Amino acid sequence: AQKITQTQPGMFVQEKEAVTLDCTYDTSDPSYGLFWYKQPSSGEMIFLIYQGSYDQQNATEGRYSLNFQKARKSANLVISASQLGDSAMYFCAMREGLFSGGYNKLIFGAGTRLAVHP
Amino acid sequence: GAGVSQSPSNKVTEKGKDVELRCDPISGHTALYWYRQSLGQGLEFLIYFQGNSAPDKSGLPSDRFSAERTGGSVSTLTIQRTQQEDSAVYLCASSLLTRSTDTQYFGPGTRLTVL
Repeated sequence: AQKITQTQPGMFVQEKEAVTLDCTYDTSDPSYGLFWYKQPSSGEMIFLIYQGSYDQQNATEGRYSLNFQKARKSANLVISASQLGDSAMYFCAMREGLFSGGYNKLIFGAGTRLAVHP
Repeated sequence: GAGVSQSPSNKVTEKGKDVELRCDPISGHTALYWYRQSLGQGLEFLIYFQGNSAPDKSGLPSDRFSAERTGGSVSTLTIQRTQQEDSAVYLCASSLLTRSTDTQYFGPGTRLTVL
């Protein structure tokens, strides 16, 4: 079974509008972290935002926010006021065993390609 | 400060040759990771270093792949007798190895093409 599922291979949004990129995950570990990375055409993976499974509030970083619904096992990324420079691939990733000292690897979804139109 | 650096940025090799890919992590980062990104397989974990030791090598696809890290810093990923299916972008990441967030920061990658 897929641990991280991103069901939207491609999305487009008008500049200055908000967009939501979906991510669902599957784990039986009670302590895990969820990450979103942006990969522009240059290829570098850029860290955007993090949400821990025990965090009480949804994470926010500037124009990025994470809509974390633990019971539904979803961690959707919301980008507000889209800019042309937001056009890129976006990856959701999970790290299990946050407090066990193990499982340090990230498990990635297949990604969503976002195109921002002027 | 300086981010994660990788060299070379591009490598073209012939099938059967050995290649070495280098990763220079962020200064002070204890943990170092190698991932592979290919069209068919997405992003896959290869190996994780804590200091100079590798507690998790579970992602290495075959015994042709090996990696080492020296001085708790630079790491080299070696692929022996390269095959066409090894063609991919090899990404290195590093982190401070904190117990909770432990955000991994990635380098620009090495694009490997095996002819």
